[in-house]
Amino acid sequence: EIVLTQSPATLSLSPGERATLSCRASQSVGYYLHWYQQKRGQAPRLLIYDASNRATGLPARFSGSGSGTDFTLTISSLEPEDFAVYYCQQRSNWPLTFGGGTKVEIK
Amino acid sequence: EVQLVESGGGLVQPGGSLRLSCAASGFTFSSYAMTWVRQAPGMGLDWVSTITYSLGTYYADSVEGRFTISRDNSKNTLYLQMDSLRAEDTAVYYCVRGGGSSSFLSWGQGTLLTVSS
Repeated sequence: EIVLTQSPATLSLSPGERATLSCRASQSVGYYLHWYQQKRGQAPRLLIYDASNRATGLPARFSGSGSGTDFTLTISSLEPEDFAVYYCQQRSNWPLTFGGGTKVEIK
Repeated sequence: EVQLVESGGGLVQPGGSLRLSCAASGFTFSSYAMTWVRQAPGMGLDWVSTITYSLGTYYADSVEGRFTISRDNSKNTLYLQMDSLRAEDTAVYYCVRGGGSSSFLSWGQGTLLTVSS
């Protein structure tokens, strides 16, 4: 099973600041790494697929990068609606797995 | 607009059974893999099972042999039959479009399963 480790667990930032979230895989997943956002009380939604492709309608302040075992989700300038929990997920191997999540909270 | 509407959650005793359903609309259901993902209270996301468009099935080790995923393309409906339920199966269960060869493209709002005596 591929283990995804997200860091940090919590990121405390102010609106307008840059957020950098990390996801590290226990073995290579190629580019098959996706990012999701979950707001309190809501279902997750897809943000980035295959490491760097923005989902339809996603603002350009969100970007993804990386390959192999190291991936990054960057939010260039945090908006109030971006404070949420973010999960990475791999589809390289069964079982499909998620990271433990990074909570982006208001400082 | 893609819609995924789960139903069938509720309170079940340990060892009991339940079937979840997910009514899909707004896309060609038969062309997509479909997945169940769960989230225990206050916890992260946990993949449960995927059924491909060609009816291949995949399960997490934690539910293998107890849960059965299926689909009825004529009704645009996804199912999850859950048997021998345990307290640790307590979670919100999300119906998800995609999985396997794609990301999880769209998510339902979830249905809560509580396993307790």
